[in-house]
Amino acid sequence: DAKTTQPNSMESNEEEPVHLPCNHSTISGTDYIHWYRQLPSQGPEYVIHGLTSNVNNRMASLAIAEDRKSSTLILHRATLRDAAVYYCILADSSYKLIFGSGTRLLVRP
Amino acid sequence: GAVVSQHPSWVICKSGTSVKIECRSLDFQATTMFWYRQFPKQSLMLMATSNEGSKATYEQGVEKDKFLINHASLTLSTLTVTSAHPEDSSFYICSAIKGRGAVYGYTFGSGTRLTVV
Repeated sequence: DAKTTQPNSMESNEEEPVHLPCNHSTISGTDYIHWYRQLPSQGPEYVIHGLTSNVNNRMASLAIAEDRKSSTLILHRATLRDAAVYYCILADSSYKLIFGSGTRLLVRP
Repeated sequence: GAVVSQHPSWVICKSGTSVKIECRSLDFQATTMFWYRQFPKQSLMLMATSNEGSKATYEQGVEKDKFLINHASLTLSTLTVTSAHPEDSSFYICSAIKGRGAVYGYTFGSGTRLTVV
């Protein structure tokens, strides 16, 4: 399974942008880059995913490096409700999502 | 959007008994569902992949006779923890995808907290 590397934790101030990095140097050409977040005692929540081009939705933006070996999840204005563990995962042809340890985002009021 | 309902949200059972957890896709047909478990302060661990109408595929180290998975329809998969023991106490989470590719985002249930006493 392809692997991703994320920082263990990051902090942000409320209403400021947050850039969550993810390295995936062994990504293959058909792997999709997925991001999910998880609040305590809840199932993960879909955030965004993409293949090659940058993606935007109502929750976040996903910036994918040209060589696809890294990506960045961008929360444009962090709120207290964005405090969660964020997982960057590569989805391959096996359809399985293998979770790493993720990044715990702390948002300061 | 896609919604996955998981039931029950929590359950307490006695050691040696069996517990069934249901995972339903409410507004889409899920050809593939996945079962995870999560211990406190740890990440999700994939247990098995469930395809409608066929046997589940279990990850290495997961006992298929203990964790029975049935995916009888395109909207329902069940996980039965048989002869539960305290070490089976965990947070169990299902997820589902439309189609057979990673093109779509995955939808997760809200999880089931199992406590075996």
